[in-house]
Amino acid sequence: KQEVTQIPAALSVPEGENLVLNCSFTDSAIYNLQWFRQDPGKGLTSLLLIQSSQREQTSGRLNASLDKSSGRSTLYIAASQPGDSATYLCAVRGFQKLVFGTGTRLLVSP
Amino acid sequence: SAVISQKPSRDICQRGTSLTIQCQVDSQVTMMFWYRQQPGQSLTLIATANQGSEATYESGFVIDKFPISRPNLTFSTLTVSNLSPEDSSIYLCSVGGAVYTEAFFGQGTRLTVV
Repeated sequence: KQEVTQIPAALSVPEGENLVLNCSFTDSAIYNLQWFRQDPGKGLTSLLLIQSSQREQTSGRLNASLDKSSGRSTLYIAASQPGDSATYLCAVRGFQKLVFGTGTRLLVSP
Repeated sequence: SAVISQKPSRDICQRGTSLTIQCQVDSQVTMMFWYRQQPGQSLTLIATANQGSEATYESGFVIDKFPISRPNLTFSTLTVSNLSPEDSSIYLCSVGGAVYTEAFFGQGTRLTVV
């Protein structure tokens, strides 16, 4: 059974810092990995999708890497802003099903 | 990308009643997914809804409690029946059925049972 863990569970940083969020998964037989952002009480916004054959994806200040063999992904956020404050979730896709991590709650203070 | 409209965005319901959540997608999709997110927890898949067939439920979720309709390729409803305080959660619908495609989510429905 696939298990997805995210570290740290919570992170508080001052504005402008570069930061790394970690995601690990137990079963490397995945099709892809997706990073999401969730604002309090809201739905999920897709940030980046990495296919199993890819090593990384970039979108603006966000960069996500994937090391499938070791069961790890990282989300790098450059020059963090208060508007980045949210919960970040990673999810891995096996056959037909997405399995979500526990999330990292990020607070960026001005 | 897909745009998903989910209604209602939030509701407060009495114990023992039911709530029906609607999910409308701006394009035709084969599969729609319903998730539950309990307070402070991550997302758990409730069921997968295919048009024209019975929904497929995950372990721990049953049709009597979570009946799902999928009348066409752009719409689905999830009903949470016989509500109890333990049903207080955020419910989300999602699309992105093929294994290599991106998943998209609705805005979520925040349900509080009193």
